Amino acid sequence: NAGVTQTPKFRVLKTGQSMTLLCAQDMNHEYMYWYRQDPGMGLRLIHYSVGEGTTAKGEVPDGYNVSRLKKQNFLLGLESAAPSQTSVYFCASSYSFEKSEQFFGPGTRLTVL
Amino acid sequence: GDSVTQMEGPVTLSEEAFLTINCTYTATGYPSLFWYVQYPGEGLQLLLKATKADDKGSNKGFEATYRKETTSFHLEKGSVQVSDSAVYFCALIISGGYNKLIFGAGTRLAVHP
Repeated sequence: NAGVTQTPKFRVLKTGQSMTLLCAQDMNHEYMYWYRQDPGMGLRLIHYSVGEGTTAKGEVPDGYNVSRLKKQNFLLGLESAAPSQTSVYFCASSYSFEKSEQFFGPGTRLTVL
Repeated sequence: GDSVTQMEGPVTLSEEAFLTINCTYTATGYPSLFWYVQYPGEGLQLLLKATKADDKGSNKGFEATYRKETTSFHLEKGSVQVSDSAVYFCALIISGGYNKLIFGAGTRLAVHP
């Protein structure tokens, strides 16, 4: 039981390049989330999904797209990376019953030059 | 809107000292409250939680009590260890919000021998 895994762990991009971050969970959770963590700002929600085939915007969605084609996977895409997207990205998942806790992946450190 | 405010860090303590990290919240309805911990280079782990007023969450010697009258959820530990050095996040989930977490900015704790 691996929990929540994220790929890759580290990545360096040049401005304008694109990439996709992969999140996978093996707990059969309905809900999945993508956050970014910046110094002094806690974690901010980018996008989330409440089930296979569904996605919704969070607090800071601009510049990102997501897809949830399979229940266990949640992909975060950057179409044209900008230096402001340098951050640590965390994926999380939870059960669908009310106020269930979230389980987090180990994070992806992304640097955009 | 809903929000969480934590005391600013870093908090620096000697081993075996008493720890308090303050957390207050603003929320509509009756949120569930959480403390997550992030050890260096890792993702977030749930430390403890409380789902209703006067509940006390506890784990690994840490405790926090849900105080509705003061809208607070302060984290305490009677005797900290070097291994407790980490960043601590207070967070809440509101009803009907698809379990989206609202985080405080985090408080870094450094414990010295």
